[in-house]
Amino acid sequence: KAGVTQTPRYLIKTRGQQVTLSCSPISGHRSVSWYQQTPGQGLQFLFEYFSETQRNKGNFPGRFSGRQFSNSRSEMNVSTLELGDSALYLCASSSGQGGTEAFFGQGTRLTVV
Amino acid sequence: GEDVEQSLFLSVREGDSSVINCTYTDSSSTYLYWYKQEPGAGLQLLTYIFSNMDMKQDQRLTVLLNKKDKHLSLRIADTQTGDSAIYFCAYKERTGTYKYIFGTGTRLKVLA
Repeated sequence: KAGVTQTPRYLIKTRGQQVTLSCSPISGHRSVSWYQQTPGQGLQFLFEYFSETQRNKGNFPGRFSGRQFSNSRSEMNVSTLELGDSALYLCASSSGQGGTEAFFGQGTRLTVV
Repeated sequence: GEDVEQSLFLSVREGDSSVINCTYTDSSSTYLYWYKQEPGAGLQLLTYIFSNMDMKQDQRLTVLLNKKDKHLSLRIADTQTGDSAIYFCAYKERTGTYKYIFGTGTRLKVLA
């Protein structure tokens, strides 16, 4: 059974640009959550999608958005990039139906210059 | 409120036991987790415990939960150099969604 796949693994963008990250969950899982990991703030919850609907949202500005497709794949988008958006972005896959475990992908390392 | 605290560093000798501690503030959490992160990698789920349990053992890993003191610990028996990593404790918010609150992480260094 394939794990959680995040693409791309590494990304370098310039301030002001926008970026789209992708996450394919474990087959059969319907919930995808996104987290931002930085040395200063640690792991922070961005949002969670289940069956194409956003179920929960963290305290991030509106520049951070996401969506989920009918095949459960999810994308997150960051517009008008700032230097402080440089981070490891992790997505987590869960069954979404009372399951207790979340499985993480390898992450996308975003560097904003 | 959302607050999970861990000590930042732990150093042990190979073959010894490691104990990583975590305290949290949210008493409504139903599940508590331990994740491992190796350099340049994502988070690997090690084990979890339901909040009505005191202890869970899984091979070399033992999780202890003191719900009264809101204290969670992870004991790794016979620690190996491959156990060197950052360990995060986390709990799942009782919202019906998959929002996890993570601790700051403890960097475990195993000395040969």
